[in-house]
Amino acid sequence: AQSVTQPDIHITVSEGASLELRCNYSYGATPYLFWYVQSPGQGLQLLLKYFSGDTLVQGIKGFEAEFKRSQSSFNLRKPSVHWSDAAEYFCAVGGSNYQLIWGAGTKLIIKP
Amino acid sequence: KAGVTQTPRYLIKTRGQQVTLSCSPISGHRSVSWYQQTPGQGLQFLFEYFSETQRNKGNFPGRFSGRQFSNSRSEMNVSTLELGDSALYLCASSLRVAGGYNEQFFGPGTRLTVL
Repeated sequence: AQSVTQPDIHITVSEGASLELRCNYSYGATPYLFWYVQSPGQGLQLLLKYFSGDTLVQGIKGFEAEFKRSQSSFNLRKPSVHWSDAAEYFCAVGGSNYQLIWGAGTKLIIKP
Repeated sequence: KAGVTQTPRYLIKTRGQQVTLSCSPISGHRSVSWYQQTPGQGLQFLFEYFSETQRNKGNFPGRFSGRQFSNSRSEMNVSTLELGDSALYLCASSLRVAGGYNEQFFGPGTRLTVL
């Protein structure tokens, strides 16, 4: 069955420190992979996506993610976080029927 | 270009009532998907409409239904509301061009509280 796992429910990072949010997926074919961010009371904003090609993808707000087929992972990274990055981050895989399958989300807390 | 809009933003209903939520997609987008977001279950796919037809459906009871109009606007309806239906309902639109996966753009959601 298709699934997405985000093993960290919460992550706390100091402002200015680097960040890596983990995402593992289970999918039978080449996946379409996404990272979305949700600020409190807001909808979901796409940070970046992987469809094919270069496995290191750049997104908005200084985020990047690397697709590793051998590890079934699509981890999100940022070299230096800002207080405004505090939000919940969701990894998702696009299913063959256009349906998005979501991870449970990782809440990012920024320490001043 | 205007984004995805959802109305109303907040709703309070009582058990047993029914509710209708509305979603207007980005201009030119013909696919609208609905998701339910709760703290316990996370984000779950409800259904997708494309060209006024339901194309995909998630694992929700028949109390949850939807429709799409010729201008691509979509509504979802929940009948006989239960306390567990309290959630943020998110709508997403996309172009749904054949041959690949299309990015979904999300609205701000409708917060439904069932008392």
